[in-house]
Amino acid sequence: EAQVTQNPRYLITVTGKKLTVTCSQNMNHEYMSWYRQDPGLGLRQIYYSMNVEVTDKGDVPEGYKVSRKEKRNFPLILESPSPNQTSLYFCASSFINRGETQYFGPGTRLLVL
Amino acid sequence: TQLLEQSPQFLSIQEGENLTVYCNSSSVFSSLQWYRQEPGEGPVLLVTVVTGGEVKKLKRLTFQFGDARKDSSLHITAAQPGDTGLYLCAGVITGNQFYFGTGTSLTVIP
Repeated sequence: EAQVTQNPRYLITVTGKKLTVTCSQNMNHEYMSWYRQDPGLGLRQIYYSMNVEVTDKGDVPEGYKVSRKEKRNFPLILESPSPNQTSLYFCASSFINRGETQYFGPGTRLLVL
Repeated sequence: TQLLEQSPQFLSIQEGENLTVYCNSSSVFSSLQWYRQEPGEGPVLLVTVVTGGEVKKLKRLTFQFGDARKDSSLHITAAQPGDTGLYLCAGVITGNQFYFGTGTSLTVIP
């Protein structure tokens, strides 16, 4: 089954404790992206990647890191999480072409205390 | 400041009524997409429009891209309870950076 998977689905952590949220897709998509969703603000793009070893900042990259060492994986790293990073995070993937369908993962709900 | 403004933010209607959701910007987009999101799930693509003035229909849903490619609308005819959800527009200006609207939460009451 074609899908985007994220782990973990739920995470509670404390300020300053490094964490990684994994994202994997099995559709051979070149394009992968991370978003955060907050009430009243919609989805905002954090980082995106056009292919292996190619990453670019989105709208709200501060406090986040990503890497794209393999085509199927695109982990999101929070080196020193802060409470303002409490949010719902989505990973998405697609082929590269104007208007291609983005497939979204199920989301990771993060609470930083 | 949001690049894409959606209105209304919340909409509650009776089954069988028609409705229109708007997505507006001062920026020109190379393409614009509409998604629907159910609680606890990721957004699912409904349609992509790429040409100014383009109209696309998906059963009871009609999508229009503005002539100047700065705005879009989603019209639902004879809404049903299964249409309930969060509707999101998303656009690409250049490259592959996506900008999402603030969302419209629709509730259709049986």
